[in-house]
Amino acid sequence: ILNVEQSPQSLHVQEGDSTNFTCSFPSSNFYALHWYRWETAKSPEALFVMTLNGDEKKKGRISATLNTKEGYSYLYIKGSQPEDSATYLCALRKTGNQFYFGTGTSLTVIP
Amino acid sequence: DGGITQSPKYLFRKEGQNVTLSCEQNLNHDAMYWYRQDPGQGLRLIYYSQIVNDFQKGDIAEGYSVSREKKESFPLTVTSAQKNPTAFYLCASSPKPLNTEAFFGQGTRLTVV
Repeated sequence: ILNVEQSPQSLHVQEGDSTNFTCSFPSSNFYALHWYRWETAKSPEALFVMTLNGDEKKKGRISATLNTKEGYSYLYIKGSQPEDSATYLCALRKTGNQFYFGTGTSLTVIP
Repeated sequence: DGGITQSPKYLFRKEGQNVTLSCEQNLNHDAMYWYRQDPGQGLRLIYYSQIVNDFQKGDIAEGYSVSREKKESFPLTVTSAQKNPTAFYLCASSPKPLNTEAFFGQGTRLTVV
């Protein structure tokens, strides 16, 4: 079992605030780090897949960075909107094709 | 439309009965996965399959069985040996390259009474 930790567990922000979450993982035998957004009553959907140390990816107001040497990734949301309310999951993918998921960060954006 | 279909969405069973959860994908993905989610916990891997007629145990395989007779289908059977079967079950698939994302079904909530 591989331990992937996410913090905080939950977060409430006002509309327009910017926020960020952390995903921590063992840095050895790393292959790829995934971020998914999981809205209530829907399927998780991929946001980013990152493989290289120093990777930075952006999709609209959401961006992510990766540090494989120290074993962490940050997800940033700029100017949060109510539609950003969801659970954000990170997952470590190792050789062998398995995904190891964190417990997620539940974000609520208050209008 | 391409995607993963899990059925049913909600399932109720009596204690001691086996139950099979369906997962079908038309994405032509090689790998398929079953995860379980309990309150306050992350997704935990039950079984995964990288190719037809082959599958491997995940971290919590006890009390579960799977088959992969067709590329599109990866059913999960929750047996009476599973001590705490009430949970949310999520199926996923992914293409072969390791730098590609996983795609998920909408899940099945199983309640054993």
